[in-house]
Amino acid sequence: GESVGLHLPTLSVQEGDNSIINCAYSNSASDYFIWYKQESGKGPQFIIDIRSNMDKRQGQRVTVLLNKTVKHLSLQIAATQPGDSAVYFCAENISGNTGKLIFGQGTTLQVKP
Amino acid sequence: NAGVTQTPKFRVLKTGQSMTLLCAQDMNHEYMYWYRQDPGMGLRLIHYSVGEGTTAKGEVPDGYNVSRLKKQNFLLGLESAAPSQTSVYFCASSYQEQRYFQETQYFGPGTRLLVL
Repeated sequence: GESVGLHLPTLSVQEGDNSIINCAYSNSASDYFIWYKQESGKGPQFIIDIRSNMDKRQGQRVTVLLNKTVKHLSLQIAATQPGDSAVYFCAENISGNTGKLIFGQGTTLQVKP
Repeated sequence: NAGVTQTPKFRVLKTGQSMTLLCAQDMNHEYMYWYRQDPGMGLRLIHYSVGEGTTAKGEVPDGYNVSRLKKQNFLLGLESAAPSQTSVYFCASSYQEQRYFQETQYFGPGTRLLVL
């Protein structure tokens, strides 16, 4: 069946270090992937996205890597800051199923000062 | 732009009561969605709409109904609330056109519902 999963429920990093949050997906038909950040008491907020015809995309302090061979997605956050503390979700869109996203369970990022 | 707004922010219901959650967006998005989020879990799609007057079932539609009478509004109804429907409900909206690289969904702040 379909599933999107994150490898670790909680990730704790030191302020200033780089963070890597991982996600595995199982549907090879997925063609679009998104990372969301959710702070406590708020709705998910878009961070970065990537299409399946790319293997890397960079934003401001964030990079998403896509490895279609092993169906793996990662979010890298450079110089992690206290404000990055949140739950991070990956989501996939299956080709031809525009608009319907499948979300992973989330990884909680804790940034230690 | 206010983006996506949801009302109410919090509600307590007794088992068997009914209520309607309202979602509104001012981005002229075609698609709108209702999700529920339970502790330690990701978001699960309840119902969605690809345009005014249309609705479709998502992953967990049982116990819920929706209506999209106006493009900017998407209503989620609980006809007879059950404790299992205690959750945080998020509404989202998105563009339709494939030309947009960011087919991302924009989320509202959520509605916390407690069913006793």
